[in-house]
Amino acid sequence: ETGVTQTPRHLVMGMTNKKSLKCEQHLGHNAMYWYKQSAKKPLELMFVYNFKEQTENNSVPSRFSPECPNSSHLFLHLHTLQPEDSALYLCASSQDGLAGGDTQYFGPGTRLTVL
Amino acid sequence: SQQGEEDPQALSIQEGENATMNCSYKTSINNLQWYRQNSGRGLVHLILIRSNEREKHSGRLRVTLDTSKKSSSLLITASRAADTASYFCATDARGATNKLIFGTGTLLAVQP
Repeated sequence: ETGVTQTPRHLVMGMTNKKSLKCEQHLGHNAMYWYKQSAKKPLELMFVYNFKEQTENNSVPSRFSPECPNSSHLFLHLHTLQPEDSALYLCASSQDGLAGGDTQYFGPGTRLTVL
Repeated sequence: SQQGEEDPQALSIQEGENATMNCSYKTSINNLQWYRQNSGRGLVHLILIRSNEREKHSGRLRVTLDTSKKSSSLLITASRAADTASYFCATDARGATNKLIFGTGTLLAVQP
């Protein structure tokens, strides 16, 4: 185990549903990340939080809404998603999000299917 | 934007053989990392090599970095069936915050 947990592990939702993904890290890290992994595409960085503040939004559509209430927890709120949003969503954390190239620790991911 | 690109996209070998994967990137970096991902799971960090290093070892892993060619290689020696996974390189960018750019990965299959 990497010390980063994600729930749920699998999620199936309709396009009109609202759901949330949860990530928790037990490593005492200060930075947390959301990534999207689609088949045959590179891992896409979505959001970065450092010390609870969002420092990166990689042009993500507003139907994805992140929330970081503290340095240990990260949420991704989902609403009115499209079928092309189906993917594996990965959460990661690192010690210091402001240092160049810090090692990131990943959770197991949430497999999301949008019908 | 810079991007790591792994080569080959897929590699199939027999147990006991060595596996070599390559990564190319486009801009100057502080360091380069290699990660492993089992099917449908999260990524696991394997090794980090800094821009002023040329070679690094960790167990059966050997990583090289050639900043003049903007390329890196990952060698897994004496492969095992359990090494079957996708392998990704990730680069940061000089002067940037902790933003890693991942390649598309090499899918390694080790046949028992």
